[in-house]
Amino acid sequence: DAGVIQSPRHEVTEMGQEVTLRCKPISGHNSLFWYRQTMMRGLELLIYFNNNVPIDDSGMPEDRFSAKMPNASFSTLKIQPSEPRDSAVYFCASSLVPTSGVGNEQFFGPGTRLTVL
Amino acid sequence: AQKVTQAQTEISVVEKEDVTLDCVYETRDTTYYLFWYKQPPSGELVFLIRRNSFDEQNEISGRYSWNFQKSTSSFNFTITASQVVDSAVYFCALGRGGYQKVTFGIGTKLQVIP
Repeated sequence: DAGVIQSPRHEVTEMGQEVTLRCKPISGHNSLFWYRQTMMRGLELLIYFNNNVPIDDSGMPEDRFSAKMPNASFSTLKIQPSEPRDSAVYFCASSLVPTSGVGNEQFFGPGTRLTVL
Repeated sequence: AQKVTQAQTEISVVEKEDVTLDCVYETRDTTYYLFWYKQPPSGELVFLIRRNSFDEQNEISGRYSWNFQKSTSSFNFTITASQVVDSAVYFCALGRGGYQKVTFGIGTKLQVIP
């Protein structure tokens, strides 16, 4: 079975450019998460979706960041305009949440290493 | 508020030694979930275990074992007879019952020296 798929794996861009990160969750999973990992701040949850609906976006740093999940098999995280401080590894994760809503483990993609020059 | 403390930032052990990674959590919830993840040098995050708050039974999986103690709010992870392939950053995480948001600790970097 395919795991969580992220693209691109590496992205190098210049300050001010728009960056779009993509994620395909595990088929059948109904929750999707975007995380950012840096040395200084560790692993931070940016936003998560349940059944394609954004549930908690309190971790999104600022208006330059936006995320969408148009269907159950695809999500994007966009940064516009990008800044050097956005350089980090961005992970997408998915999980299957039963109707009872109990916590379940998240399965992570390989990450996208973003460098903003 | 949810909080996960991994006090050990880095640990180095010689191959075949046992090592325990500590995890202390804080929560006001009565139902919660604890997780351990492994991040090897290649960078991906690998799920290792989930433990529910109502199940304090310890678990063993090969060389890995986990000790969950609600009385001390700890969920420690022991690797027996460590191997070089165990070298990674290990994250402890806490999830709330009924929610999917998970709080991660800062991670413990384990280096196993041959």
